[in-house]
Amino acid sequence: QQQVKQSPQSLIVQKGGISIINCAYENTAFDYFPWYQQFPGKGPALLIAIRPDVSEKKEGRFTISFNKSAKQFSLHIMDSQPGDSATYFCAASSHNTDKLIFGTGTRLQVFP
Amino acid sequence: GAGVSQSPSNKVTEKGKDVELRCDPISGHTALYWYRQSLGQGLEFLIYFQGNSAPDKSGLPSDRFSAERTGGSVSTLTIQRTQQEDSAVYLCASTLNRANSPLHFGNGTRLTVT
Repeated sequence: QQQVKQSPQSLIVQKGGISIINCAYENTAFDYFPWYQQFPGKGPALLIAIRPDVSEKKEGRFTISFNKSAKQFSLHIMDSQPGDSATYFCAASSHNTDKLIFGTGTRLQVFP
Repeated sequence: GAGVSQSPSNKVTEKGKDVELRCDPISGHTALYWYRQSLGQGLEFLIYFQGNSAPDKSGLPSDRFSAERTGGSVSTLTIQRTQQEDSAVYLCASTLNRANSPLHFGNGTRLTVT
């Protein structure tokens, strides 16, 4: 019940296209859903996050869509750029534990 | 300001040896996490320190793994009698003691057990 399932494992997108990464969870106590971006040789860094009281959050080209009833959330990267090539992790936590549970990651490659 | 610092950045050790990995969190961050990232895998939670509370050790994979945090700041992750399956990148992160504060990760220690 602590798992966060992420797909796809890898994604190849052409420059200017839309990248979509999906995550699903089981624990209904989760109330915080961040996405982290990791470049090779670096630690992950927070990209964008959402709480379940809203269904969508947008920051620039990055949008999180959240479906509470389906227990799913996704990251959309509009107008994908080669500089977006990285590994993306979804995560979830509850206020009860503060322990952030990560998905298995998606390696995104954006080709010019 | 300075971010989370981890040392060493790379460590090669022989099977059966003990290793110590160090993490210097961001000053003022009261929470500290250790995660393990194996090749092509996600981030596996290991241990969590929050202020003076007892640490959450629920992610430690075996009793060969231990961690301590001295003075509420620097943390050391110790792996005893290393095995080849311990080879991974060990990431440390710190955060403020506020709900849903972002984790600030170091660049990790890449451990290779030969």
